[in-house]
Amino acid sequence: KAGVTQTPRYLIKTRGQQVTLSCSPISGHRSVSWYQQTPGQGLQFLFEYFSETQRNKGNFPGRFSGRQFSNSRSEMNVSTLELGDSALYLCASSSARPDSPLHFGNGTRLTVT
Amino acid sequence: AQSVTQPDIHITVSEGASLELRCNYSYGATPYLFWYVQSPGQGLQLLLKYFSGDTLVQGIKGFEAEFKRSQSSFNLRKPSVHWSDAAEYFCAVGATVTGGGNKLTFGTGTQLKVEL
Repeated sequence: KAGVTQTPRYLIKTRGQQVTLSCSPISGHRSVSWYQQTPGQGLQFLFEYFSETQRNKGNFPGRFSGRQFSNSRSEMNVSTLELGDSALYLCASSSARPDSPLHFGNGTRLTVT
Repeated sequence: AQSVTQPDIHITVSEGASLELRCNYSYGATPYLFWYVQSPGQGLQLLLKYFSGDTLVQGIKGFEAEFKRSQSSFNLRKPSVHWSDAAEYFCAVGATVTGGGNKLTFGTGTQLKVEL
């Protein structure tokens, strides 16, 4: 079974631009979550999508948004990029049961200059 | 709100030595507990999980963890470390949230270095 696929692996953007990251979950998984990982803040929860609906949201500004498509693939968008948005963005999928572990992709490394 | 503490930022062990990584959590109910490992430039790989039942759980790569409710701990152990175990290890607690689904809260991680 293929794992979680994130594209692209690396991105370099300039302050003020926007960016879209993509995530394809494991086949059959309907829940997709996004996490931001930085050296200073560690792993922080952004949001979770299930059946095309945002089900949970972390404490991030409205510049961070996402969506999920009918095939469970998800995209995350960050608008008006700031230097502090430089991070590894990790996508994880699960079967949506509360006791289902998250399966992570290898992440997208975003650098904002 | 749940929280996770990993008190050791860095740990160095010799190859073949035993390993214990500490994890303490704060959560009002019975938590779902996980250990993940991350190699440089990679995502997180699940080592093991605890939901209920036997408090000693076995995972992949020879790792095990013991849930101790009285100490709010979920320490990760391995009897004999291999050089390939060098990586960063994250403890996480999951909770059912309103509306369904789950959300993981991660500790700050422990960086493991293995000396040959």
